[in-house]
Amino acid sequence: SQQGEEDPQALSIQEGENATMNCSYKTSINNLQWYRQNSGRGLVHLILIRSNEREKHSGRLRVTLDTSKKSSSLLITASRAADTASYFCATGDSGYSTLTFGKGTMLLVSP
Amino acid sequence: NAGVTQTPKFRVLKTGQSMTLLCAQDMNHEYMYWYRQDPGMGLRLIHYSVGEGTTAKGEVPDGYNVSRLKKQNFLLGLESAAPSQTSVYFCASSPRASLSSVNTEAFFGQGTRLTVV
Repeated sequence: SQQGEEDPQALSIQEGENATMNCSYKTSINNLQWYRQNSGRGLVHLILIRSNEREKHSGRLRVTLDTSKKSSSLLITASRAADTASYFCATGDSGYSTLTFGKGTMLLVSP
Repeated sequence: NAGVTQTPKFRVLKTGQSMTLLCAQDMNHEYMYWYRQDPGMGLRLIHYSVGEGTTAKGEVPDGYNVSRLKKQNFLLGLESAAPSQTSVYFCASSPRASLSSVNTEAFFGQGTRLTVV
């Protein structure tokens, strides 16, 4: 079964607004990652946060991790139309050998 | 900068036919994965490999076989295709992770869209 569940399933915002996506997971993890998928394309890695980290930034991305609640959030600030894509969280297992993905959040940013 | 290359990109099969999807990576990665992506289901792991000559089952392995004879290649086989295997298949690779370096970023191919009729 899938480890992560993203929320919301779909999000529609205007350019310049912030977009927040959440991910909940079930079991202990070593790291949590966020990926982006443009329509019809492969997934692209955005950011990785380790289980001993609480917050991480990369450009307009901000990721938080709360291991006590088994949840993470991805914030995209000042969204652009080019940010339109699906976003997936993925968790790394204790053996570091596999990544388990959630079902994704579809983000639509309108000009 | 080829990265992860999947062939073919599209294929239509008749029920019962067989085929092999090829994944090749040029980053010298130890780990390789095959996922399938279906609408509303996200990505589900079919099989994976942690090194040349080794394979392991993922979440949805039934109806598929894999081989990793060379480090750079990971083959996914469908011996007798079924309509339920209609999906988009993604291959991915990642470096070996260690306790000191939790480096499990995965690099994905562009996908193979398979339709079984």
